[in-house]
Amino acid sequence: NAGVTQTPKFQVLKTGQSMTLQCAQDMNHEYMSWYRQDPGMGLRLIHYSVGAGITDQGEVPNGYNVSRSTTEDFPLRLLSAAPSQTSVYFCASSPWGGANTEAFFGQGTRLTVV
Amino acid sequence: SQELEQSPQSLIVQEGKNLTINCTSSKTLYGLYWYKQKYGEGLIFLMMLQKGGEEKSHEKITAKLDEKKQQSSLHITASQPSHAGIYLCGADRGNNDMRFGAGTRLTVKP
Repeated sequence: NAGVTQTPKFQVLKTGQSMTLQCAQDMNHEYMSWYRQDPGMGLRLIHYSVGAGITDQGEVPNGYNVSRSTTEDFPLRLLSAAPSQTSVYFCASSPWGGANTEAFFGQGTRLTVV
Repeated sequence: SQELEQSPQSLIVQEGKNLTINCTSSKTLYGLYWYKQKYGEGLIFLMMLQKGGEEKSHEKITAKLDEKKQQSSLHITASQPSHAGIYLCGADRGNNDMRFGAGTRLTVKP
């Protein structure tokens, strides 16, 4: 049982490049989300989705786009990478959003923008 | 300042000692979650608390949500090296928006 799978695990980008971080879950969860983790800041919510075709912004959405065409996949796109986007990115899923539910996290993608 | 403040930021204890980590919210909590993160890995769910005064235990870890639902504590009894990692509290703001504290880094010395 794979759970939440993120790819790649590591990535180095040059400023201005674009890329997509992949996230897939095999638990048929409705709710999926993306976080970034920076030292001293904890996890900050970037975007989330409560189901296929529905996405919404979190705390720090600028510079990132998402889409949810299927229940399983929730890719995060960086259109023009900036050094400020150097971070560790985590994807998470849960049966539904909000209270009363445990979230399952991927192993993270460590992104460096030079 | 962050919406969820954790204290201490880091903690070094001798194996076998007890310890407590606190999480204080600036807003009423609708649900409080505790996660553990091993270095370089994702988060693992520990416990979820919803009602003021609720207390849950799993093995040697106990978490409690205070009556006014603005503070939670995580207590580890007789710590072991396997308890080492980063402990994060998370809270639901009531609109599918989860917020997390900055984490407490725990080191357990054998």
